[in-house]
Amino acid sequence: GAGVSQSPSNKVTEKGKDVELRCDPISGHTALYWYRQSLGQGLEFLIYFQGNSAPDKSGLPSDRFSAERTGGSVSTLTIQRTQQEDSAVYLCASSLAQVTNTGELFFGEGSRLTVL
Amino acid sequence: QKEVEQNSGPLSVPEGAIASLNCTYSDRVSQSFFWYRQYSGKSPELIMSIYSNGDKEDGRFTAQLNKASQYVSLLIRDSQPSDSATYLCAVNGNYQLIWGAGTKLIIKP
Repeated sequence: GAGVSQSPSNKVTEKGKDVELRCDPISGHTALYWYRQSLGQGLEFLIYFQGNSAPDKSGLPSDRFSAERTGGSVSTLTIQRTQQEDSAVYLCASSLAQVTNTGELFFGEGSRLTVL
Repeated sequence: QKEVEQNSGPLSVPEGAIASLNCTYSDRVSQSFFWYRQYSGKSPELIMSIYSNGDKEDGRFTAQLNKASQYVSLLIRDSQPSDSATYLCAVNGNYQLIWGAGTKLIIKP
């Protein structure tokens, strides 16, 4: 497919377990963003990748959250020792270059995480 | 800290009327402004961008920018029930977009 692909689409886990969320951006898109969106809320920025490097990790809520991107393509967001407040939809988005000029971010369908 | 403010709504508009969505931003040097639409349970999608003062029209949608007042708006003419969604305003940051919390729009048939 030509769009941003995220997996799993839904994840239910128990408190204290680790989870991995995957994002496969549009081919050729160098910028990749992770956001979190709680029910009825706006987008919370988590981390930005340009290529494989992450110039800004300031949005990660705690040291339980980490992300990596390999080969300038697929990215994985890992949440360790999940807590109930981590329940949200995690959205990945990519853009051809730095997004600030065109504003054109292409979003995946999201991974809905529920922590019991 | 750069901020983007929107009224969370919901904004209820009769079908066929004009829906007016507003957004203010704090950083006076912002250059690029964007409106995204997010249907319930779906991801945001870009619908309009504007960079210069004045109006920009695209079909039933008009974006308006006033940099002196640090204000950007989105007008939707002849509103349709399919326009019911949350509209997110975004402004360029250093390397990412700064997002408003969104305004929920409900078009009543």
